[in-house]
Amino acid sequence: QVQLVQSGAEVKKPGASVQVSCKASGYTFTRHQIHWVRQAPGQGLEWMAIIDPSGQWTGYAQKFQGRLTVTRDTSTSTFYMDLSSLRSEDTAVYYCARDGGNWGDKDHWGQGTLVTVSS
Amino acid sequence: QSALTQPPSASGSPGQSVTISCTGSSSDVGAYNYISWYQHHPGKAPKLMIYEVSKRPSGVPDRFSGSKSGNTASLTVSGLQAEDEADYYCNSYAGSNIYVFGTGTKVTVL
Repeated sequence: QVQLVQSGAEVKKPGASVQVSCKASGYTFTRHQIHWVRQAPGQGLEWMAIIDPSGQWTGYAQKFQGRLTVTRDTSTSTFYMDLSSLRSEDTAVYYCARDGGNWGDKDHWGQGTLVTVSS
Repeated sequence: QSALTQPPSASGSPGQSVTISCTGSSSDVGAYNYISWYQHHPGKAPKLMIYEVSKRPSGVPDRFSGSKSGNTASLTVSGLQAEDEADYYCNSYAGSNIYVFGTGTKVTVL
């Protein structure tokens, strides 16, 4: 069965960087893009980025341009989300989600990773 | 890339129907038929309910249906059940490998 297993919770200080991983299994890694989505406390879902598993293209929400990077490691079937220059507003649950192949249908989700930014 | 606009809340009694709107622009909702809807219970991962405006993934009850007119997409939940109480989000492709979520709607079953 399709599984997306994310790394554990993180606590970071303002200005630091965080990396969240998302290990995929149960399907052909190269056939599905991965989205990154976050939800801050009391807020809605926010789309952040997408990566094609070939590594040939990515897409980023404008508000994160310059401090968000998404990558993948085909040898371990793992995707990564790196967010730098963290501020308190980045405190959120971060999710990876598989694109089902129908332009944005996120059909399987990771369990979420809580990132807390606090001094 | 502004968030799509949804009503903050919607409600209905068991068995009734509720419709949630999702208003964007000619650059996102109006331009593409790549609209999806997600059900989100607090503390759990979101669940895909509708994709490509009106298609249901296997396992999603046919009580859930989607449509689109112009720059506004809609999700209708018919025959409301207690387990339908959740937050619902629309999501649209906006071109150039960019997607955008709606602001979210809390559905309450009275």
